[in-house]
Amino acid sequence: DAKTTQPNSMESNEEEPVHLPCNHSTISGTDYIHWYRQLPSQGPEYVIHGLTSNVNNRMASLAIAEDRKSSTLILHRATLRDAAVYYCILRNNSGNTPLVFGKGTRLSVIA
Amino acid sequence: GAVVSQHPSRVICKSGTSVKIECRSLDFQATTMFWYRQFPKQSLMLMATSNEGSKATYEQGVEKDKFLINHASLTLSTLTVTSAHPEDSSFYICSARTQGAGNSPLHFGNGTRLTVT
Repeated sequence: DAKTTQPNSMESNEEEPVHLPCNHSTISGTDYIHWYRQLPSQGPEYVIHGLTSNVNNRMASLAIAEDRKSSTLILHRATLRDAAVYYCILRNNSGNTPLVFGKGTRLSVIA
Repeated sequence: GAVVSQHPSRVICKSGTSVKIECRSLDFQATTMFWYRQFPKQSLMLMATSNEGSKATYEQGVEKDKFLINHASLTLSTLTVTSAHPEDSSFYICSARTQGAGNSPLHFGNGTRLTVT
């Protein structure tokens, strides 16, 4: 699987937007960009995924660079419940493959 | 949305005993489930891929005779940690994917925290 690079940690103030970056310079044409997050003592939770176009859902937005070598997960208004480790993962559209987790970004939200 | 239920959420056992962890897909069928292990302050590590009706595929370094996986139905996979030792203490997490395109999301259980004394 192509690798991703994320900052180890980030901090945000409550109610402010958060932009979580991810670099994936070796992404292939069939790799989807997935984001998951893991709250303390819980299993990971799906956040969003995309291929080429920007994506929005009720949790977040995903902005994908035109060359697809990087992407940004956007939380529009951080809350204390958004404090988690966020994982950016590339996943090939080829069937029942598992997710390979990197170290992710630990997001702290300050009240 | 799709729900994966894992049981128990927490278990303490004595060294040398065996522990079974169940992973159920509650509202969808899963031909494939994945088992992960997570040590404190570390990321999730894939242990094995569980396939309904066939043998599991284990990642390098994971002992198949120690971590027994059974996937007897489309909604249930079990992981049995046999002859547990303190170094097996970890957070075990299962996941499954709904059928469809390969890019569909994986759904995760809430994990089982195993402590071996």
